[in-house]
Amino acid sequence: QKEVEQNSGPLSVPEGAIASLNCTYSDRGSQSFFWYRQYSGKSPELIMFIYSNGDKEDGRFTAQLNKASQYVSLLIRDSQPSDSATYLCAVKSWHGGSQGNLIFGKGTKLSVKP
Amino acid sequence: GAGVSQSPSNKVTEKGKDVELRCDPISGHTALYWYRQSLGQGLEFLIYFQGNSAPDKSGLPSDRFSAERTGGSVSTLTIQRTQQEDSAVYLCASSLGTGELYEQYFGPGTRLTVT
Repeated sequence: QKEVEQNSGPLSVPEGAIASLNCTYSDRGSQSFFWYRQYSGKSPELIMFIYSNGDKEDGRFTAQLNKASQYVSLLIRDSQPSDSATYLCAVKSWHGGSQGNLIFGKGTKLSVKP
Repeated sequence: GAGVSQSPSNKVTEKGKDVELRCDPISGHTALYWYRQSLGQGLEFLIYFQGNSAPDKSGLPSDRFSAERTGGSVSTLTIQRTQQEDSAVYLCASSLGTGELYEQYFGPGTRLTVT
């Protein structure tokens, strides 16, 4: 069973700090990784996608991928109260009959305190 | 442009009744995925379509669940003889394709409550 693990949190950071969200995955063959933000009562919203080892930056968000360690992280710089949400890590699956469906972690709840 | 749309947004049904959930993907997206999210559970993959074809139905929780897609666009997920454990948010996502580099965009979901 392919797995994606995340610390459920809650992770609490003060406004303006860096929030660091972590995710590990079990399938060494996984290639592409996604971070979604989900506000309470809403559907997941895509924030970042990373495919290559290293860092990928988009505004205040940086995704980091280390395939050797099977680890992917999301950094949020200058955290704002509006960043308070659950962050879902997802990995594409190609095993069996699947064709690119996402396997999700259970999410980390982030709380940014003013 | 318009995102993924789903209807109804909320559905309350009695145990044993059939329900039909609809998903309208982003225009031009050939791949369509159904997931569900139960309270306290992660997002669970149900079924995907490439065009009108669903090559793998093994993610569906039971034979009470079925799905179809017509015209390479709208998809419906049907749950027959609903049970209380079917209560969840049903999410649809669409993508330009199924390859590694294609991103999936979610609709707002249908919250199903079985009483």
